[in-house]
Amino acid sequence: DAGVIQSPRHEVTEMGQEVTLRCKPISGHNSLFWYRQTMMRGLELLIYFNNNVPIDDSGMPEDRFSAKMPNASFSTLKIQPSEPRDSAVYFCASSLSTGLSYNEQFFGPGTRLTVL
Amino acid sequence: SQQGEEDPQALSIQEGENATMNCSYKTSINNLQWYRQNSGRGLVHLILIRSNEREKHSGRLRVTLDTSKKSSSLLITASRAADTASYFCATKTSYDKVIFGPGTSLSVIP
Repeated sequence: DAGVIQSPRHEVTEMGQEVTLRCKPISGHNSLFWYRQTMMRGLELLIYFNNNVPIDDSGMPEDRFSAKMPNASFSTLKIQPSEPRDSAVYFCASSLSTGLSYNEQFFGPGTRLTVL
Repeated sequence: SQQGEEDPQALSIQEGENATMNCSYKTSINNLQWYRQNSGRGLVHLILIRSNEREKHSGRLRVTLDTSKKSSSLLITASRAADTASYFCATKTSYDKVIFGPGTSLSVIP
């Protein structure tokens, strides 16, 4: 299994530009999570999906952030327009959830975003 | 406020020594997990302990859980330079929502 796949691995863009981060979860997993990690704020959960449905997006910082999961094997996190303070490492993780049990999450390698 | 908070924030030890990290949390949990993150990498799951368990072992890792004190500890025995990483505890607060603590940065000096 290739694990969770994220692309791109690095992204450098200018303020105001649209940024799209992509994630392919592990096949068979039904929960997908987007996190943001910075030195100042640590690891923050932005949004998570279960069976392709957004369950909790309370961590999404602003309307500039949006996430979709059109099918079980693909998700995107979009920032439009991007700002320098969005610079961070964005992680995608997936897990197999059964009922209310919490199972281990498998993390992707992350996308390092730099907004100039 | 953090659901899970690790301490110390940073720990430096000599290779071969044991490393102990602690995690405190605020609300009731179903289980608590420990993750490791090597520099520039994603998090890797280490061990899960359920709320009805008090201690769990996995190789050189030993995790304890005290639900009355809302705390957990991670012990790494006979540390190696390769154990240098950040360690996070994660608690589940609701259906599949996870809160990570700020982490403990461990440096193992060869």
